[in-house]
Amino acid sequence: AQSVTQLGSHVSVSEGALVLLRCNYSSSVPPYLFWYVQYPNQGLQLLLKYTSAATLVKGINGFEAEFKKSETSFHLTKPSAHMSDAAEYFCAVRVGQFYFGTGTSLTVIP
Amino acid sequence: GAVVSQHPSWVICKSGTSVKIECRSLDFQATTMFWYRQFPKQSLMLMATSNEGSKATYEQGVEKDKFLINHASLTLSTLTVTSAHPEDSSFYICSAAGTQAGVTEAFFGQGTRLTVV
Repeated sequence: AQSVTQLGSHVSVSEGALVLLRCNYSSSVPPYLFWYVQYPNQGLQLLLKYTSAATLVKGINGFEAEFKKSETSFHLTKPSAHMSDAAEYFCAVRVGQFYFGTGTSLTVIP
Repeated sequence: GAVVSQHPSWVICKSGTSVKIECRSLDFQATTMFWYRQFPKQSLMLMATSNEGSKATYEQGVEKDKFLINHASLTLSTLTVTSAHPEDSSFYICSAAGTQAGVTEAFFGQGTRLTVV
């Protein structure tokens, strides 16, 4: 069975600080992994994806994520938070259909 | 990336009426489309998966007679909420997956905010 766990439904960081959003997955087959961002009343925008190529994946807006098979993790990071990063973030695994985590709301404190 | 257009972005309707939401893939052929429902501050809940030319596959607990899904072409899928009630008020999101080379993820529409009064 496939599932995605996002630790921390709410994360607050100061502007300029490191952003770390955690995601662990379980999958019976090698997965495709994704991070999406959602702004209020909007659809989901793809930040980055892992499709079995490089384990360190760089995405848009300075975000990156590292696939660690041994830890079944795909944590999202950004070295320096910006006010515009405040949004809801979803980790997802795709095995046929998409399985989404419950989301992490990121707040950036000025 | 590929573009998926969802329309309308918001709609208000009276209880008992039906509402149709369209999802179009603008620059690729979407063999599979997914329809999600999202409650406030929650994740996306998959409602159904539709393949072009076939009947949609509904998730457990989703009423197929209430949420009619049509995927008649490779670029268009529609979700019709029939006899809408206030409890159907929600944010509905579609996503489309294609078979063209390099398309390994689904692309999401902008979402539709449905309010039933």
